[in-house]
This record gives sequence, C-alpha cells and structure tokens, in this order.
Amino acid sequence: QVQLKESGPGLVKPSETLSLTCVVSGASISSFYWTWIRQFPGKGLEWVGYISHSGSTNYNPSLKTRVAISVDTSKSQFSLRLSSLTAADTAVYYCARLSGFSYDLDFWGPGTLVTVSS
Amino acid sequence: NFILTQPHSVSASPGKTVTISCTRSSGNIASNYVQWYQQRPGRAPTTVIYEDTQRASGVPDRFSGSIDSASNSVSLTISGLKVEDEADYYCQSYDATTVIFGGGTKLTVL
Repeated sequence: QVQLKESGPGLVKPSETLSLTCVVSGASISSFYWTWIRQFPGKGLEWVGYISHSGSTNYNPSLKTRVAISVDTSKSQFSLRLSSLTAADTAVYYCARLSGFSYDLDFWGPGTLVTVSS
Repeated sequence: NFILTQPHSVSASPGKTVTISCTRSSGNIASNYVQWYQQRPGRAPTTVIYEDTQRASGVPDRFSGSIDSASNSVSLTISGLKVEDEADYYCQSYDATTVIFGGGTKLTVL
C-alpha cells in the first residue's frame, strides 16, 4: 500500500522559511508526480506545486516567487520550501501522489499543521 | 485558468439522493478530467470519483459521477444517503500544468 508522511516544524516565525519533507513508501518515487497541497483553517484546498521524479516542477502562480519543491530519489522523499512566511501561510500542508495521466491525487499523507506566529 | 464553482452546502435525509454540481467557468468541461474527493473532519481527502465518472477502489456504487456539456459541469450523485456520507466534497481538475480545486461543498445528512 502506498503511504506518504509529512514531517517538519509545527511552528515557524514570520519572515522565516518553512521546510517540509514527505517520505514515500510502497511505491517508487521514480514514477508519477508528487505534489504539495495546503488547506487554510476551516477553508478549502489550495494546490502549492508538484515535481516529477526527474525534478521538473510546476508551481501555483500565486506562490511561484516563494516556493521550491525538490526530490531525493535515493531517500524516496520530496520536500517543500516556502519563504517569507506570514500568518496567511498558516495551514495544514498535505503531500500527495499525482497521477500524471488524469491528474488524480490518489494517495495523500495525513497532513501536518503549520502555524506562522512569533 | 478557469474556476470550478460548487454550492457551498447541500443537505438531505438518510436514504435520500443528493447531487453536488461543479461548474467550469471557461473552456470545455470535457477537455480535462475531473475528480471528486471526500474529506471528513480532521482527515485528508480521499478520491471517490476520478476521470469524471470512474469510482475509486472501495467506493460503494451509491456514489456516481456524470458530466453535462450543456451546463459545462460535472456532478457527484450519492444515493441511499448514510450518516457517514456527511463530509466536505471537492471537485478538482487541471489546466495545462496547473491543478485547480473547487471551493468545496459541505454535505449534511439530517
């Protein structure tokens, strides 16, 4: 069974950079696309960006200047960096597998809450 | 990019049928596949319908997806409603290289 698990700090300060990692098990990270999605408290889902196993990326245009996603196939994990944080970045961050053909997000991690506060 | 519009909330009684719509603002709804996700409180979303009409593995046949080119929308229909169907439902599609979510619909089973 494919499993994903996010890890990273639960609390970060404004203006700092958030770093999250997603470890993938039960599937080869050298296939498919891998994505980050966030959900603001009590709100809907927002796509952050995705990366292929070869390292090609696409980002939400609204975050493009602040976001970077990387992949480490040797560790079967991919990572998110989001800079210049503000309180508006407080959200639950999910990693998920993206089916390249239909763009179906077929496996998700449980999510990790990130709070931006001094 | 286009926008996917969903009703904010719907409600129905156990045993009844409910339909949630997802309307694409521009471009042809049939041009890009649409998925439906169910999200229960405190949990990650899970796929119920993919590629417009295909039920995900383990999803009961009470859940079905349809596409209507005339209204440029897709719909999720849940029949024989159960209390456990109460959740938020999101449609999702893509445009070129961008993933797009609808705003979500809260289903209340009264």
